[in-house]
Amino acid sequence: EADIYQTPRYLVIGTGKKITLECSQTMGHDKMYWYQQDPGMELHLIHYSYGVNSTEKGDLSSESTVSRIRTEHFPLTLESARPSHTSQYLCASISRDGLYEQYFGPGTRLTVT
Amino acid sequence: AQTVTQSQPEMSVQEAETVTLSCTYDTSENNYYLFWYKQPPSRQMILVIRQEAYKQQNATENRFSVNFQKAAKSFSLKISDSQLGDTAMYFCAFMNTNAGKSTFGDGTTLTVKP
Repeated sequence: EADIYQTPRYLVIGTGKKITLECSQTMGHDKMYWYQQDPGMELHLIHYSYGVNSTEKGDLSSESTVSRIRTEHFPLTLESARPSHTSQYLCASISRDGLYEQYFGPGTRLTVT
Repeated sequence: AQTVTQSQPEMSVQEAETVTLSCTYDTSENNYYLFWYKQPPSRQMILVIRQEAYKQQNATENRFSVNFQKAAKSFSLKISDSQLGDTAMYFCAFMNTNAGKSTFGDGTTLTVKP
């Protein structure tokens, strides 16, 4: 399996709480991505980064924010969680070899009550 | 903008038989990659097979092969000698190499029956 990690794997939290989902990769990849995926459904790109200090919003509007201070670390933050944020969040990165394969983390399943 | 369409939400196949999953896409780009990813139940998404748009030859990877029809914008996945471990959700994905972003289809849930 790829060297890309996400914590926590599961999170149940109350409305209004601030949460940070962690994503780290040890492969030295520059490009990293966050996707939102409802169970059994397609992936929607919510944020991406081409490298340190680079972040962009994806195709699906999201109330979350991201940062990229180190190459290996790409955390996603929700300032005030709501039930509509309940979903699975997948982190991914792309290698530098020009083949564009995405390596995915195991995902964080978030439930906001 | 790119779109990716998988018209088969669910499919099933008997173990050891062959199954084909369909995918069509729409783009005005010339430089792109196409992928099939596999997401087993409660496990990480992994790459099944990759196709570079500039290559005419269809990609193959052991029991997995694609039928890439660039003019028709079609990219189907054939799984031969299906195994129980092939049970998963399969996503077709388009990578715009200029933008460095992917678009995924809705997915096809494949069940391999013993």
